[in-house]
Amino acid sequence: DTAVSQTPKYLVTQMGNDKSIKCEQNLGHDTMYWYKQDSKKFLKIMFSYNNKELIINETVPNRFSPKSPDKAHLNLHINSLELGDSAVYFCASSPRLTSGANVLTFGAGSRLTVL
Amino acid sequence: GNSVTQMEGPVTLSEEAFLTINCTYTATGYPSLFWYVQYPGEGLQLLLKATKADDKGSNKGFEATYRKETTSFHLEKGSVQVSDSAVYFCALVFSGGSNYKLTFGKGTLLTVNP
Repeated sequence: DTAVSQTPKYLVTQMGNDKSIKCEQNLGHDTMYWYKQDSKKFLKIMFSYNNKELIINETVPNRFSPKSPDKAHLNLHINSLELGDSAVYFCASSPRLTSGANVLTFGAGSRLTVL
Repeated sequence: GNSVTQMEGPVTLSEEAFLTINCTYTATGYPSLFWYVQYPGEGLQLLLKATKADDKGSNKGFEATYRKETTSFHLEKGSVQVSDSAVYFCALVFSGGSNYKLTFGKGTLLTVNP
């Protein structure tokens, strides 16, 4: 199936730990994104990569570090996890960076719970 | 900067009722406008879009018209079904230049009861 897939789907961990979420897309898209969705469903962009190059880096603590080994993968590593990091993290991809009709394809989300 | 304001939820309707979810935007220039839908436990998926003024996007019985004069993109459906229960997000992306971020509204939870 062509899709954006992210793992793990659920992640429960203790404060202070380091964790990673992986994302892969097989759509041949150039651009990938990480979004954070809080408990009120508000979506906020965190990062965007275009052909492995960091393009968008919103005001996100530097405990969050994205890595794109190739244009089909965008991983998110989080150091020293805090309670406020609990959220659903969505990976997404789009065919290219600049387009007025740019449509994003989202993964199913990774629910992170920090205890 | 660009922003999207959509009506606060939750919205609860009976099956076959008429649905309107209001969305207005603030943007410099002429953005493209989108409605995304998030079904329970899933990621967002595109519902419909419009890229220029007076365009009407439609899909699955949902419609929205890009109104430049009122900077609005209200979502409508004539007869909702239980399966339409989801969170609906209005969004915009600026056409052209380097401002390519998709900006979302806060989402509106719709619950349709049988």
